[in-house]
Amino acid sequence: RKEVEQDPGPFNVPEGATVAFNCTYSNSASQSFFWYRQDCRKEPKLLMSVYSSGNEDGRFTAQLNRASQYISLLIRDSKLSDSATYLCVVNRGLTGGGNKLTFGTGTQLKVEL
Amino acid sequence: NAGVTQTPKFRVLKTGQSMTLLCAQDMNHEYMYWYRQDPGMGLRLIHYSVGEGTTAKGEVPDGYNVSRLKKQNFLLGLESAAPSQTSVYFCATKGGGELFFGEGSRLTVL
Repeated sequence: RKEVEQDPGPFNVPEGATVAFNCTYSNSASQSFFWYRQDCRKEPKLLMSVYSSGNEDGRFTAQLNRASQYISLLIRDSKLSDSATYLCVVNRGLTGGGNKLTFGTGTQLKVEL
Repeated sequence: NAGVTQTPKFRVLKTGQSMTLLCAQDMNHEYMYWYRQDPGMGLRLIHYSVGEGTTAKGEVPDGYNVSRLKKQNFLLGLESAAPSQTSVYFCATKGGGELFFGEGSRLTVL
């Protein structure tokens, strides 16, 4: 089982729609969680961190469910410019110190007119 | 303020050739990373550095070497390129818990 799993999509949605992605992680010791956005043939960029109580940034809402070991990203009122691949990133501590970031393979979103 | 800069952006190599990818940062970050990204797989960590003069192996280090002689530069070397090393390579630094990536280097090994 992969440490971080995402539905690769693509999710094709009309402009203005609400869309949600889930990401599951296998290691219960995971400590922090992030969503990165990656445009086609570009580098990943941080979209938002995911906090235990859930957090919102404009049209984007991130949630964490530790009991079920998943995080989610909700995008409201989708824009054409939201078309990208969304990467789930999970951070956990390592025995002996340090930490490990694990990237999901990404979920592709296509917003259409 | 360039952030994280990778050179070259594109390169085609023949099997057995060697090359070096350069990552330069002007963010004064201690931590630097080299990742590779392949279709159907998440970004995978090759090597990383927690400061000038230090390097450590990531999850896929075989076939690569790195050096961090200066804080602002992190070099990734391929001593004898193989077709399996065809990939997009990203350098990243970490600051404030966030990763800042370079634009990527597309390497093809024939």
